[in-house]
Amino acid sequence: EVLLVESGGGLVQPGGSLRLSCIASGFTFSSFDMHWVRQVKGKGLEWVSGIGGSGDTYYPGSVKGRFTIGRENAKNSLYLQMNSLRVGDTGVYYCARGVIPGPVYSYYGMDVWGQGTTVTVSS
Amino acid sequence: QSVLTQPPSASGTPGQRVTISCSGSSSNFGSNTVNWYQQVPGTAPKLLIYSDTQRPSGVPDRISGSKSGTSASLAISGLQSEDEANYYCASWDDSLRRVVFGGGTKLTVL
Repeated sequence: EVLLVESGGGLVQPGGSLRLSCIASGFTFSSFDMHWVRQVKGKGLEWVSGIGGSGDTYYPGSVKGRFTIGRENAKNSLYLQMNSLRVGDTGVYYCARGVIPGPVYSYYGMDVWGQGTTVTVSS
Repeated sequence: QSVLTQPPSASGTPGQRVTISCSGSSSNFGSNTVNWYQQVPGTAPKLLIYSDTQRPSGVPDRISGSKSGTSASLAISGLQSEDEANYYCASWDDSLRRVVFGGGTKLTVL
């Protein structure tokens, strides 16, 4: 069974840091681009970062310089290091797999999603 | 303000056909493919359409996607109560160098 399981969410103060993890199983992790997508409660989806199988990374301006996506193919693991957290970063964070293996910029969609992990940034 | 524009709401009665539109630009739809997601509140999104028109395994053929120029549409025929959910379009944007989503459309089955 193809599965993604996130962990690492929690409550953190503004300016703090948090590291999210996503463990993959049931597929050749190293071949696929992987992504983080977040959602504020009651709002829409926002793409947070993506990493290709070869390690190319992309970020939106809202998190660039504060968030770092990484992967450890030998451990079938995806990470998101979040620094200088803001109240606006609060939400549910999902990891997701690219539907067609390739670099991030040849994005076709995300077909496997984790259950999400909740990040709350509050004083 | 989302890069891709969707109507905030849509509705239909059981058995009806409904379409949800998504408007983009030359930097996203003009050179990249569109994909669509269904999200029931409290659950993770589910991919319905990728590469403009392709359905992943398990998505019924009463769901279809199309794209023309910088506009795309998701069509659901034979509407069922279980189709009541939020729907999002998405694509890669060459200018912004990131994945962009529409603001979402809440579909209500009357």
